[in-house]
Amino acid sequence: EIVMTQSPATLSVSPGERATLSCRASQSVRSNLAWYQQKPGQAPRLLIYAASTRATGIPDRFSGSGSGTEFTLTISSLQSEDLAVYYCQQYNNWPHSFGQGTNLEIK
Amino acid sequence: EVQLVESGGGLVQPGGSLRLSCAASGFSFSTYSMNWVRQAPGKGLEWVSYISSNSSTIYYAESVKGRFTISRDNARNSLYLQINSLRAEDTAVYYCARPGYGSGSYGYWGQGTLVTVSS
Repeated sequence: EIVMTQSPATLSVSPGERATLSCRASQSVRSNLAWYQQKPGQAPRLLIYAASTRATGIPDRFSGSGSGTEFTLTISSLQSEDLAVYYCQQYNNWPHSFGQGTNLEIK
Repeated sequence: EVQLVESGGGLVQPGGSLRLSCAASGFSFSTYSMNWVRQAPGKGLEWVSYISSNSSTIYYAESVKGRFTISRDNARNSLYLQINSLRAEDTAVYYCARPGYGSGSYGYWGQGTLVTVSS
């Protein structure tokens, strides 16, 4: 099983600042990596797939990069509505595995 | 509009069983694979099971293998998860999720159904 490790566990960022979230895979997942946003009490929402492609309707302040084992989600200018937990997921191998999440707080 | 609506959750005693359902609409259900993902209270996401569009390929997480059974009825646009021999650690919100965007990522999610295992 591929283990996905996210860092940091919690990130506190001021509105308008940049937020950088990291995700590392225990072996290569090529570009088969997705990022999800989950707000309190809601289902997860797909933000990024194929490591760097934004899903429909996702603001362009969200961007993804990386391939192989190292990935990054960047929020260029944090908005208050971005308060959420962010998960990465690999879908290169079964079982599809999620990271443990990064809790993004608004400072 | 793609819609996934889960049902069937509830309070069940350890060792009990439940059948979860996911009603799909707004897309051609029979042409998509489907997944179940769960989330224990205050915890992260855990993939549970996968079924291909024609039910020919099925996968399970090790934690549920032998106790959970995924199935689908394409004529009824419905996905199911039969969960047996329930344990306290199976307490979670169970989501059905559909791939999207021509990739294996989960582009569409239901709102989830809560399963609570407690005596």
